[in-house]
Amino acid sequence: DSGVTQTPKHLITATGQRVTLRCSPRSGDLSVYWYQQSLDQGLQFLIQYYNGEERAKGNILERFSAQQFPDLHSELNLSSLELGDSALYFCASSVSVQGPSDTQYFGPGTRLTVL
Amino acid sequence: GENVEQHPSTLSVQEGDSAVIKCTYSDSASNYFPWYKQELGKGPQLIIDIRSNVGEKKDQRIAVTLNKTAKHFSLHITETQPEDSAVYFCAARNSGYSTLTFGKGTMLLVSP
Repeated sequence: DSGVTQTPKHLITATGQRVTLRCSPRSGDLSVYWYQQSLDQGLQFLIQYYNGEERAKGNILERFSAQQFPDLHSELNLSSLELGDSALYFCASSVSVQGPSDTQYFGPGTRLTVL
Repeated sequence: GENVEQHPSTLSVQEGDSAVIKCTYSDSASNYFPWYKQELGKGPQLIIDIRSNVGEKKDQRIAVTLNKTAKHFSLHITETQPEDSAVYFCAARNSGYSTLTFGKGTMLLVSP
């Protein structure tokens, strides 16, 4: 158990809908990362927050957004869902963003299925 | 940006054999190289990492080697066991950024 929690574990929804994925980082970790994992694309970095501020953006679609709250939990919002958004979504956290405390620990993931 | 290539995509070994997974990276400024193990239905779990100031690191049956000149690093698992069966991912991070770029993964199957 990495200490990173994600809810829900599974999510099934329809095209055009909007969903919210939640992540709680390890105790003491200030940075949260979101990744998308699909069979053909591997692990793709989406976005990173550090202590409430957006730190880096990767291949995140405009239909997707995220935020990190004062208690450091994070939410990933996916809207106007398409079939191709079906994937595993992982959250990871780290203490800081550089140096020996930058190790990323992953949560168990949320499996999103868009029908 | 960084590009990480990982080979092979699948690897089958007999229990007790050694397994080697290789990765190459493109950005010479990358300085941190973790390896993750992902079991079915679970999130990636860090198993070992190496920073650019060392060439090799060992942890029991697992070792990682880094060749900065050639821009490649490898994961070595000795005395493999069936519970080593999983997908393994390598990753690299540029010193100026905090994000990881992952390889496509290697599915390791250890047969008893």
